[in-house]
Amino acid sequence: KNEVEQSPQNLTAQEGEFITINCSYSVGISALHWLQQHPGGGIVSLFMLSSGKKKHGRLIATINIQEKHSSLHITASHPRDSAVYICAVTAGNTPLVFGKGTRLSVIA
Amino acid sequence: DTGVSQNPRHKITKRGQNVTFRCDPISEHNRLYWYRQTLGQGPEFLTYFQNEAQLEKSRLLSDRFSAERPKGSFSTLEIQRTEQGDSAMYLCASRSDWGDYGYTFGSGTRLTVV
Repeated sequence: KNEVEQSPQNLTAQEGEFITINCSYSVGISALHWLQQHPGGGIVSLFMLSSGKKKHGRLIATINIQEKHSSLHITASHPRDSAVYICAVTAGNTPLVFGKGTRLSVIA
Repeated sequence: DTGVSQNPRHKITKRGQNVTFRCDPISEHNRLYWYRQTLGQGPEFLTYFQNEAQLEKSRLLSDRFSAERPKGSFSTLEIQRTEQGDSAMYLCASRSDWGDYGYTFGSGTRLTVV
């Protein structure tokens, strides 16, 4: 079974700071997902990656398949970015295996 | 399509009672997944369906848990004889084997067993 580790577990940043959240996994995958979860539980899919880099607004996600590592970056962070960010991986049609999440608080 | 819908949003039940949750996936999505999430943890896989067929069940899914997806549309997750350890957020997600393969999650059902 794939083991997914995220770091840091908790992160507090000042508004405007550049933020990086890391994810590593133990077994080869076909896709890695970055998800956002706000209080109340709903999960929103941010990115699905199998290689390289993707950008959406102030969010950037990268993946290094050889090193089994991915990063999620947030530029010019804002208090509305405060949420739990979760990394999840899958191989083919296997169910997602999730990390424990990184709790981000951005202070104005 | 309004996304993945889960009902109820919250459920409080007494220990020993049975509860049933419903998930309505995006209509074009043939795969449907159930996950359970406890406080401070990432979601854990429970079971999933491809159309109406239940393809995999986690060892977390004891014999008190049963899931169905009649006709490959909505799905139900039933927990019999609830225990306090069943208190968690139950999440449903769906995806398609065609297109972008992305997952869409519901808002979850938060179960509290008292």
